[in-house]
Amino acid sequence: KAGVTQTPRYLIKTRGQQVTLSCSPISGHRSVSWYQQTPGQGLQFLFEYFSETQRNKGNFPGRFSGRQFSNSRSEMNVSTLELGDSALYLCASSLAKGTPDRELFFGEGSRLTVL
Amino acid sequence: QKEVEQNSGPLSVPEGAIASLNCTYSDRGSQSFFWYRQYSGKSPELIMFIYSNGDKEDGRFTAQLNKASQYVSLLIRDSQPSDSATYLCAVLPILSGGYNKLIFGAGTRLAVHP
Repeated sequence: KAGVTQTPRYLIKTRGQQVTLSCSPISGHRSVSWYQQTPGQGLQFLFEYFSETQRNKGNFPGRFSGRQFSNSRSEMNVSTLELGDSALYLCASSLAKGTPDRELFFGEGSRLTVL
Repeated sequence: QKEVEQNSGPLSVPEGAIASLNCTYSDRGSQSFFWYRQYSGKSPELIMFIYSNGDKEDGRFTAQLNKASQYVSLLIRDSQPSDSATYLCAVLPILSGGYNKLIFGAGTRLAVHP
């Protein structure tokens, strides 16, 4: 069974550019969450999508956006990149059964470096 | 005050010893608690979850939850060098709406030396 696939794995951008990251969840998983991981702040929740709808959002500026397609694949976009956006962006999928045991399966991440 | 707090470590234990990892959280209404392990350069993977007060055991791992003290811990018995990793505590707060908005601690780095 294939895991969560994120592309690209590594990318380098300059300030002011924008970037789009992609995530393909585990087959059958309908929930996709995005997290940002930095050495200083740890893992921080960005947003979650379920059935093409954003149903939860973290405390990030509007430069961070996302969407989910009908096949559950998700993309996140960061516009007007800043140096502080350099981080590992992790996508996680889950069945979203509605039970307390919300196991998230993480992808290997997309490491973004902003110069 | 951070919502989920962990000692960053490193916590150094000898092989075969018990490693004790601790986590406190601020949202008294939090409903579910998770321990993830993250090896260097890898993504987090779930070790255990717990949502009732008391202990939950799974092999060499035991999660302990005390909601009154807002405290959750992870015990690793018979620690092995392969357990060396960063352990992340995550909490599902009551205001999450029941969705997957986990709040993570900064993680505790565990080093098991032979």
